[in-house]
Parts: sequence; C-alpha cells; structure tokens
Amino acid sequence: GDSVTQTEGQVTVSESKSLIINCTYSATSIAYPNLFWYVRYPGEGLQLLLKVITAGQKGSSRGFEATYNKETTSFHLQKASVQESDSAVYYCALSDYTGGADRLTFGKGTQLIIQP
Amino acid sequence: EAAVTQSPRSKVAVTGGKVTLSCHQTNNHDYMYWYRQDTGHGLRLIHYSYVADSTEKGDIPDGYKASRPSQENFSLILELASLSQTAVYFCASSDWGAFYAEQFFGPGTRLTVL
Repeated sequence: GDSVTQTEGQVTVSESKSLIINCTYSATSIAYPNLFWYVRYPGEGLQLLLKVITAGQKGSSRGFEATYNKETTSFHLQKASVQESDSAVYYCALSDYTGGADRLTFGKGTQLIIQP
Repeated sequence: EAAVTQSPRSKVAVTGGKVTLSCHQTNNHDYMYWYRQDTGHGLRLIHYSYVADSTEKGDIPDGYKASRPSQENFSLILELASLSQTAVYFCASSDWGAFYAEQFFGPGTRLTVL
C-alpha cells in the first residue's frame, strides 16, 4: 500500500533559524499522487498548510514551501525563518485513488518546537 | 467559517462497553471521514461517507461501525470497546473526495478504554 515517511518525533529550532522537515512517499497505484502538508496547532484540528498536485511544482503558504520531486519521491517542508507561532505538529500526506475510493495516507507527524 | 465539531472531546470507557463518538459539520460538504491516531502512527482511515444514509469502510474498519443520518452528522460507534481502541479520533469533511479536495478536521476526541 501507500506510505509516507517523515522526520520522526520532535524537532527543536531556535526562533529566526531555518527549518526543514523531510518527507518521502511511496504510492503503489498511481504515478503522481497529490501531496499535502497539514498542520495541527495545540487544541485544534488539522488544517491544510499547502498542497501540490503537479510534479515539479512548488507550493507555498505562510512562509513555508515544499517542492514535489518525483525523481526522489520527496516533498520536504522548508521555512527560512521560523517564529514561535509555528510551534505545531506537521503532517505530510498523499492522496491516491485505490480500489475505486480516494483516500489520504498520512505520515506519523513531526512536532516542531520553537525556542525563543 | 467552515466548522467541524466533535463530541465528546475526551472520554473514558470500560472494556466491553458501547461508545459513540459524534461529529457535526456546517460546511455543507458531502464527504465525511473518521480517522484514528495512535502514538507513533499517522492518521488512519476507519470509515467514510459520501452521502447521507450510506457509509464505506476505510483501511481499519474492524471493531467500528459508522452512521450518517444526515449530511451534517457522522457518528462512529464502538459496540464493544477494547483496550486497543484507545486513541485520538478525528472527524473530517470535504466537498469532494480525498484525491481532490482539502479536508477540514475537527479538534479530535481522546478516547481511553480501561
């Protein structure tokens, strides 16, 4: 089946420093799945951060960027300068159309902690 | 503002008891989903629905039933709760299927089965 692997556990970054959260994917029944980053702030549900549906394209939102790389099957999340408000759990996900039903497959999530 | 609400927000249940988790959306979306998240795992799809009075099995449906009595409401039912069902449960909605559309999530329900 499909799978998403992302930087595990917790990442701690000092405020104003750069961030990268790694994400690689494997889609078994579709060559070019849609790729997503969702974010969950404390006490809230997941919300879409960015989405890219075309290989080679870059998505961006709130200072975050991710590029859909089909050669390396990667979709790493980057930000040049993090803020304390970026503290949250980040989930990489792909959408597929398997067995006639479309679905999202999520990574395990990466908790980002920003040190002031 | 799109909204998905879940109740209860947390629950402690006894093994073998019945548990019902409720989800309500005001997005006017056709699709609704139930996921669970365990420590060390990503969200996994339990059941979903694309129209009222119909539900579909997701990737891990065993031990769960779902009910969609109206477009706005989607319930997850554990007839005989077990220790292994301790997890955080998320409900979501979308106006198209998962391949195309952004999903809007509720805040989650933390279920502890003792």
